[in-house]
Amino acid sequence: DTGVSQDPRHKITKRGQNVTFRCDPISEHNRLYWYRQTLGQGPEFLTYFQNEAQLEKSRLLSDRFSAERPKGSFSTLEIQRTEQGDSAMYLCASSFGQAVNTEAFFGQGTRLTVV
Amino acid sequence: AQSVTQPDIHITVSEGASLELRCNYSYGATPYLFWYVQSPGQGLQLLLKYFSGDTLVQGIKGFEAEFKRSQSSFNLRKPSVHWSDAAEYFCAVGPYSGGGADGLTFGKGTHLIIQP
Repeated sequence: DTGVSQDPRHKITKRGQNVTFRCDPISEHNRLYWYRQTLGQGPEFLTYFQNEAQLEKSRLLSDRFSAERPKGSFSTLEIQRTEQGDSAMYLCASSFGQAVNTEAFFGQGTRLTVV
Repeated sequence: AQSVTQPDIHITVSEGASLELRCNYSYGATPYLFWYVQSPGQGLQLLLKYFSGDTLVQGIKGFEAEFKRSQSSFNLRKPSVHWSDAAEYFCAVGPYSGGGADGLTFGKGTHLIIQP
């Protein structure tokens, strides 16, 4: 499978716990994006990387959210001290190139449920 | 701030009938416009995109969309729908901050139901 891979597909956690999601982009894709999608809404942009550099993170929802892409390949999204409002689908996408007109390919997402 | 409005939350169409999904956007510059489809358990798939040039763009699966700057619209059409077209459709505009390859702003989506 050469698509964007996200792990885990589902995560149930207790409020207050930390969670980490992983995204493996399509090989050689230099740009990687994280989105959040809540029920009945479209995806909401959170952050993105070009190679290992995080070029936009002001849209991260709070300081409990952080993302890394240490070697410019896979990325992780961490949520600390989870709250029930964090329950959502977290989507990762990747693309190749420098311009916005390159197609972003999305993974199937990680569904987070905070109980 | 940029925004995307998809006025129809749900649309029901009979199989074989034509389809039009509406999308209106607000953007401070020339927008890049996209339509994505999301099927249950599947990732978002790009149907088509508009950057410049011909305002009628063709996409995959027989879809097309027309960019109308005067109406700030980018409506998606298909002449004859198939049962497999039942899904959630999202219109998006980008880039987020007007430069580079930032993320996209998505609408809330239109849920398409196909009647036999």
